[in-house]
Amino acid sequence: AQTVTQSQPEMSVQEAETVTLSCTYDTSESDYYLFWYKQPPSRQMILVIRQEAYKQQNATENRFSVNFQKAAKSFSLKISDSQLGDAAMYFCAYKYPGTYKYIFGTGTRLKVLA
Amino acid sequence: DTAVSQTPKYLVTQMGNDKSIKCEQNLGHDTMYWYKQDSKKFLKIMFSYNNKELIINETVPNRFSPKSPDKAHLNLHINSLELGDSAVYFCASSQEEAPGSEAFFGQGTRLTVV
Repeated sequence: AQTVTQSQPEMSVQEAETVTLSCTYDTSESDYYLFWYKQPPSRQMILVIRQEAYKQQNATENRFSVNFQKAAKSFSLKISDSQLGDAAMYFCAYKYPGTYKYIFGTGTRLKVLA
Repeated sequence: DTAVSQTPKYLVTQMGNDKSIKCEQNLGHDTMYWYKQDSKKFLKIMFSYNNKELIINETVPNRFSPKSPDKAHLNLHINSLELGDSAVYFCASSQEEAPGSEAFFGQGTRLTVV
């Protein structure tokens, strides 16, 4: 069964600094999709970035980028120039086509210090 | 215009009562989900529906009964509420036919059973 692990329950970063959130997953599949979601105190789940496993190039969205290591089954999120608004829970998620479900990790709470 | 809307946002009720949560999506997606987020923020799938058909029932007590009258709606009815049912329930939707598409989430319903 596929599983997603986020080993950092909580992380802190100084405003304007860079932070990396870790995620590992377990799957025997080769073509799948990975996502990072942000959940601020409002509860709304917001997509931050996605990665297709068949693409070697790491995805980037403005200040957010990933380090996707397929062989190591690792999918970390790097946030550059951290802002106060980045403070939230961050969830890593895995999706295999045709399974009709997204599997989430346990989340990492990110605190941004002014 | 809200993509996935669920009502109510908050629900406080006594043990033993029956309650419903409604969800609607206007994205034209073919798949809808119910996720439960517990007090530790863990997101676990409960049900998924594809084109009104139940695809996944993830060992949820049969006190929970989802109903999908059409592709755009997925409601959740809970009978004989228990203290342990207190959680945030999220409705979500995605397009299963578009591999790699993300799930869009509603704002969640915080259910408190007293």
